[in-house]
Amino acid sequence: AQKVTQAQTEISVVEKEDVTLDCVYETRDTTYYLFWYKQPPSGELVFLIRRNSFDEQNEISGRYSWNFQKSTSSFNFTITASQVVDSAVYFCALILNQAGTALIFGKGTTLSVSS
Amino acid sequence: DTAVSQTPKYLVTQMGNDKSIKCEQNLGHDTMYWYKQDSKKFLKIMFSYNNKELIINETVPNRFSPKSPDKAHLNLHINSLELGDSAVYFCASSQEQGAGYTFGSGTRLTVV
Repeated sequence: AQKVTQAQTEISVVEKEDVTLDCVYETRDTTYYLFWYKQPPSGELVFLIRRNSFDEQNEISGRYSWNFQKSTSSFNFTITASQVVDSAVYFCALILNQAGTALIFGKGTTLSVSS
Repeated sequence: DTAVSQTPKYLVTQMGNDKSIKCEQNLGHDTMYWYKQDSKKFLKIMFSYNNKELIINETVPNRFSPKSPDKAHLNLHINSLELGDSAVYFCASSQEQGAGYTFGSGTRLTVV
């Protein structure tokens, strides 16, 4: 069975600090996709990134970066120079490349950034 | 302009009532989903339809019945509402397996 673990339930930082959100996944399949979603206080789910299992290149988008390591089954997310607007719940998710399967979410990490 | 729209956004109802939540997507996606987010923010898949055909039906009480009249719409009907049904329900759609999901803004259901 597939599983996504976000061990950090809550993280609090002060503005301008860097913060890393951890994500560990479990699957026996070789083809899968990993995602990060953001849920701000307003409640909507915002797509941040998608990565397939064959692409271990790290990605940077502005202050956001992602580190995918198949050897440790991890897909960690780092926010550099955090801002108050980054305060949200962040979800890591996994989906297999099999019809009839759906996106499985981790339990989320609540990030609070104070000024 | 809204890609995935759900109505209503808020729903407060009494135990025992029957209610429906509607979802529509204008993205041309083939697959639609219902997720439940509980009070601890955990998101769990309930149902999925591909081009009007039910393809995922997780362990959900029979009181929940999805209906997809066409591939752009997926509605959720809930009979005999219980206190434990209180949650935020998200509709989503995707074009293909492995593609990112586009989520609606959610329906906050409160059963009193």
